[in-house]
Amino acid sequence: AQKVTQAQTEISVVEKEDVTLDCVYETRDTTYYLFWYKQPPSGELVFLIRRNSFDEQNEISGRYSWNFQKSTSSFNFTITASQVVDSAVYFCALLVHGSGNTGKLIFGQGTTLQVKP
Amino acid sequence: GAVVSQHPSWVICKSGTSVKIECRSLDFQATTMFWYRQFPKQSLMLMATSNEGSKATYEQGVEKDKFLINHASLTLSTLTVTSAHPEDSSFYICSASPRTTEAFFGQGTRLTVV
Repeated sequence: AQKVTQAQTEISVVEKEDVTLDCVYETRDTTYYLFWYKQPPSGELVFLIRRNSFDEQNEISGRYSWNFQKSTSSFNFTITASQVVDSAVYFCALLVHGSGNTGKLIFGQGTTLQVKP
Repeated sequence: GAVVSQHPSWVICKSGTSVKIECRSLDFQATTMFWYRQFPKQSLMLMATSNEGSKATYEQGVEKDKFLINHASLTLSTLTVTSAHPEDSSFYICSASPRTTEAFFGQGTRLTVV
């Protein structure tokens, strides 16, 4: 079965604190892709990162960093020096291959991050 | 990245009427598009896979006669909510991609049925 678990429903931090959002996934596929999306109150999904199952290198993009650990099936997301504009719902997602050449996303439950000034 | 446009952004309709939502890939062709639904404070749930030139594939529990999907061209998929009821009020969002290992989302449509 394919599944994504984001155990943290809501996180509240004060501006400038670091915060880590957890993501654990399950899949029997050896080839898969993991994503993080940000969903601000307006609703659109903002793509943050995609990682394939063969690349375990951690990635840093500005204040964002991601830690991919296949041994624990985790793909955690850290925001350093958080800002009020980071307040949003964050989704971790797993891309599995459906029939033919299609691919569909399985989303975690989402983590609501509130950054207070 | 690839651009997916969804229209309308929001719609209010009366109970019993039908509503059509469009999803367009603006700078690429998409043989497959996906429709998701999101209830308040919940995650996105895949409703169906829209296949160009053939019937859509619906996820378990999604009524295909209520949520009609048409994918008549390589750049356009439509979702029609037929005989809408208040419980259909939700956020509907589509995705498409020029490659199977990516997913680009439309802006979403907030449907309110009164």
